[in-house]
Amino acid sequence: GNSVTQMEGPVTLSEEAFLTINCTYTATGYPSLFWYVQYPGEGLQLLLKATKADDKGSNKGFEATYRKETTSFHLEKGSVQVSDSAVYFCALISGGGTASKLTFGTGTRLQVTL
Amino acid sequence: DSGVTQTPKHLITATGQRVTLRCSPRSGDLSVYWYQQSLDQGLQFLIQYYNGEERAKGNILERFSAQQFPDLHSELNLSSLELGDSALYFCASSTGTVSYNEQFFGPGTRLTVL
Repeated sequence: GNSVTQMEGPVTLSEEAFLTINCTYTATGYPSLFWYVQYPGEGLQLLLKATKADDKGSNKGFEATYRKETTSFHLEKGSVQVSDSAVYFCALISGGGTASKLTFGTGTRLQVTL
Repeated sequence: DSGVTQTPKHLITATGQRVTLRCSPRSGDLSVYWYQQSLDQGLQFLIQYYNGEERAKGNILERFSAQQFPDLHSELNLSSLELGDSALYFCASSTGTVSYNEQFFGPGTRLTVL
C-alpha cells in the first residue's frame, strides 16, 4: 500500500536558520504530494502541493520539489521564523476521479527559537 | 478559518457508549472526509463521502459508521467505545471534482473515552 516516511522530530532551529524536513514516499501510480502544517490547537492547513514529477510547490517561503526518481518531496525554507513553529506533515493522495484518500507521514515538530 | 465546522469541540464519555460527531463542509464542497489523529496511530484516513455517497474507505472500524446528508453535512458515529478510541477526529472538505483537490480541515473534535 501507499506510505509516507518523514524525518523524526523534534527539529529545533534558531531564527533565520535553514530548514529541511525530509519526506519520501511509496505509492503505485502517480500520486499528488502535499505538505500540511498544524499549529498548536488547530486543524491542518495546506502549505503547498505538487501534482506531477518535477513540479515545485511553494508558499510563505517554503518550497518542495516532487522528485519521482528518488520518490521524495523534501520541505525547505531558507530562513525560519519563530512563527513557523508547528508540526509539519508530508502526505500523498491516491485515488482516481472523485475518490480521494490522504496518506500522512508521522509529522515532524519544528521549534524555532530566538 | 477554513470554513469547515465541527461540533462538539470536546467530548468526554465512558467505555461502551455511543457518540456522534458532526461536520459541516465549506459552502459548495461536495466531498467530506473523516480522519483520526492519535498519538500511537498518527493521522489516519477513515472515510470519504461525495455528494451523499461513500467514495473511499480507509482503516475504519466496524464500530464506526458515517453518512452524508442531502444538505451535505456529515456525521461520524462511534459506538461501543473503547479507551483506544480516544483521539482527535478531523473532518475535511473539498470540491471533490478531482482526487487531488485541496482538502480544507476543520478544527477537530477531541474525544476522550474514560
